Amino acid sequence: TQLLEQSPQFLSIQEGENLTVYCNSSSVFSSLQWYRQEPGEGPVLLVTVVTGGEVKKLKRLTFQFGDARKDSSLHITAAQTGDTGLYLCAGVRTDKLIFGTGTRLQVFP
Amino acid sequence: DAGVTQSPTHLIKTRGQQVTLRCSPKSGHDTVSWYQQALGQGPQFIFQYYEEEERQRGNFPDRFSGHQFPNYSSELNVNALLLGDSALYLCASSLKAGANVLTFGAGSRLTVL
Repeated sequence: TQLLEQSPQFLSIQEGENLTVYCNSSSVFSSLQWYRQEPGEGPVLLVTVVTGGEVKKLKRLTFQFGDARKDSSLHITAAQTGDTGLYLCAGVRTDKLIFGTGTRLQVFP
Repeated sequence: DAGVTQSPTHLIKTRGQQVTLRCSPKSGHDTVSWYQQALGQGPQFIFQYYEEEERQRGNFPDRFSGHQFPNYSSELNVNALLLGDSALYLCASSLKAGANVLTFGAGSRLTVL
């Protein structure tokens, strides 16, 4: 049973477009992380959000943690081809990560 | 500063065989976790090792076992391989004090025929 559902599952857009990826759960997490994974590599941590309602920005990426600490979103402004990859959210629970189902993003030039 | 290294990168086995995957953690890290990532899915937690003991375990059968050595490196063993064990096996290391700050290796891609 996947505790964290991500949507959309696939996203194919042109360079310069904006997009939002959602991560939803019925469970509360102490914190939530977002990772990006490229083919042939392991996931790389982008951000950790801890407080309900928290918003963090990483250049063109904006991450938000829901007020109830059950859901999160990732917004990318003016996507670039280098943003292509698999985006994973992960809830932190007793020192282990519960990963979401993943969103595969393809950005075309 | 080397990150997490895993070996082998790819391997092919047949049903019923046994496999051992290896992981060297990032320098300074003392905790190793293993994850299974099936094609097109997010990673799933297998187990975590700290001080040479299994500390946490996910919903995986006893066919999956592990070990951590005094130098903090780790092995994942899978017995009686099934077709469904085909996946990317990821090792992640961390400091126990900050166990949710993980550094992942590139993984070992296992194919079971």
